[in-house]
Formats: sequence, C-alpha cells, structure tokens
Amino acid sequence: ETGVTQTPRHLVMGMTNKKSLKCEQHLGHNAMYWYKQSAKKPLELMFVYNFKEQTENNSVPSRFSPECPNSSHLFLHLHTLQPEDSALYLCASSQAGSSLSGNTIYFGEGSWLTVV
Amino acid sequence: AQSVTQPDIHITVSEGASLELRCNYSYGATPYLFWYVQSPGQGLQLLLKYFSGDTLVQGIKGFEAEFKRSQSSFNLRKPSVHWSDAAEYFCAVGASGGSYIPTFGRGTSLIVHP
Repeated sequence: ETGVTQTPRHLVMGMTNKKSLKCEQHLGHNAMYWYKQSAKKPLELMFVYNFKEQTENNSVPSRFSPECPNSSHLFLHLHTLQPEDSALYLCASSQAGSSLSGNTIYFGEGSWLTVV
Repeated sequence: AQSVTQPDIHITVSEGASLELRCNYSYGATPYLFWYVQSPGQGLQLLLKYFSGDTLVQGIKGFEAEFKRSQSSFNLRKPSVHWSDAAEYFCAVGASGGSYIPTFGRGTSLIVHP
C-alpha cells in the first residue's frame, strides 16, 4: 500500500472508445503526476498538477486529457487512442516545495492500458 | 537542469552474491537522490533517498546507497542478493532549488541466477 491508488489496474479499449483512468492519493500531498511507461523506453512524464493547477504538459497529444478536481484526485481521460498508446500509466504524488520531504515522489501500482 | 545516468542496462548476479548498481548525476548544487525498484507489472517503490547528512543511506529490503559528491555518484548496494530482488531499478535526482520534479534514469534490469 503506497498511499496512491489507481483504477482500473487493467483496461482494454478500442480506438474509438472513451475511457478514463483514476488516481487517488491519501498522503496529503499537493502535487500529482501522470507518467507513461512503455516497453524498452524511459519513464515519460506526461502531466503535473500542483495545487490543482497544471504546471507541466510535456507535448502530450490531445487524445490524452487530464483532470485534477482537487489535490487528492487525478484523472486521465482517453479518447481515440492509437495502438502505440498501449503502456503502463503511472500516477504519482509528492509534497512539492518541501525541503523536509525533498519532493519525494510516491507512485501508484499503475494502470495497464491496451489499445486494440 | 539536473540529469542522471545509469550506465548499465542489465546486470546479472548469482543469488547470494553482492550487488552494486551505478548511478551518476549532474546537478550544480546538492541534489536530492533516490532509488526506486519496480517489480514486473507493478509501480515504482521507493527504496531509499538522500537529502543531506550522512552520505551512507540505509533503505528497505537490505539496500544501501552512498552519496559521493566528488564522483557525482549515488550507487546502490546490497551485500547478498535474493532471487526476489530481480526487478528494474531506477535512480532519480531532484533539485534542491527550482523545479521540484525529479529526473529519472533509464533503469537497470537486475537478473538473479539461482
């Protein structure tokens, strides 16, 4: 139990579907992240939210749409994805700006996405 | 901006042997340094972290790491590897000022032979 919960753990969707990934953190953190992890590739930072405001968008295609309604919840809305979007999507949180925690990032278990 | 290099893509050790995974970083000031482990199909779990103070840091699962400023390194060690240690290991470096987002290395895959 890491304090960061992701649902669903596995998702199979067609290219015309609309689905969402959900993340919830119980650590009282103020920043939340989405990462993409594909086979044979480095960890890719997609989005960062700090106090519900998006502070990073690393040139992510618009078919990925994040939503952060509060500091504890983060969503990734998926629409008209491509097979190459199949990957492990990791949510994470941290206490940004804290010298005590050193901005330590805590990850969820991930959501395995397969696009068919 | 900070950067981190894990020179070894794969490391193979025998069960019971000692382990050292290398991590080199680039950052102008004192960095925040982290090691994470990822078992197949799982998220990244924090093993240990260094902010300041004692340069030898103890972590979970019997791992330790040593911060060497002169070598810009933060190598992970374990005296005796167990088969369950087979996993992907990620080193990360965070800035003590400015952007709070750590930069991750590409990972080192640890294979343990019986």
